[in-house]
Amino acid sequence: EAQVTQNPRYLITVTGKKLTVTCSQNMNHEYMSWYRQDPGLGLRQIYYSMNVEVTDKGDVPEGYKVSRKEKRNFPLILESPSPNQTSLYFCASSLTVLSGYTFGSGTRLTVV
Amino acid sequence: SQQGEEDPQALSIQEGENATMNCSYKTSINNLQWYRQNSGRGLVHLILIRSNEREKHSGRLRVTLDTSKKSSSLLITASRAADTASYFCATDKNSGGSNYKLTFGKGTLLTVNP
Repeated sequence: EAQVTQNPRYLITVTGKKLTVTCSQNMNHEYMSWYRQDPGLGLRQIYYSMNVEVTDKGDVPEGYKVSRKEKRNFPLILESPSPNQTSLYFCASSLTVLSGYTFGSGTRLTVV
Repeated sequence: SQQGEEDPQALSIQEGENATMNCSYKTSINNLQWYRQNSGRGLVHLILIRSNEREKHSGRLRVTLDTSKKSSSLLITASRAADTASYFCATDKNSGGSNYKLTFGKGTLLTVNP
């Protein structure tokens, strides 16, 4: 089944403890992106990747890192999480930048 | 920055009625997309309409695009309780060079009452 898989689905962590949210797609998509969703603010893009080893900042990249060493994987790294990074995170991929996105099921992160 | 803005923010209708949601955007686009999100879940792509298209259909969905007014509408006909969800429009804009970003609006919450 064609899908985008995020892990974990739920995570509660403490301030400053490094964490990684994994994202993997099995559709050979070139374009991948991370979004966070917050009440009243909608979906905001964190980082995106046009292809392997090509990444760029979205609208809210502060406090996040990404890497794209393989086409299928696009992990989101929080080096020192803070409470304002408590959010619902989505990974998405598409065949090209002008195609519809396939979204993962989301990761609900709470930083205390 | 928000590119697309949906209207209304919330819509409540009876099963069987049609639901219309609107989206306005600010800058030139290549395409506009509509997505559905059930509470707390991932977004599901519904339909993509290119800037040179004016109308597109998919099942009970009808999307129109008016580039002169920078607006789009999503019509769901003969709604069902299962259509209850948030609906988002998303637009791409060339942010410079060869990089594109897909920007989402804040969504319309549709409730279809049985």
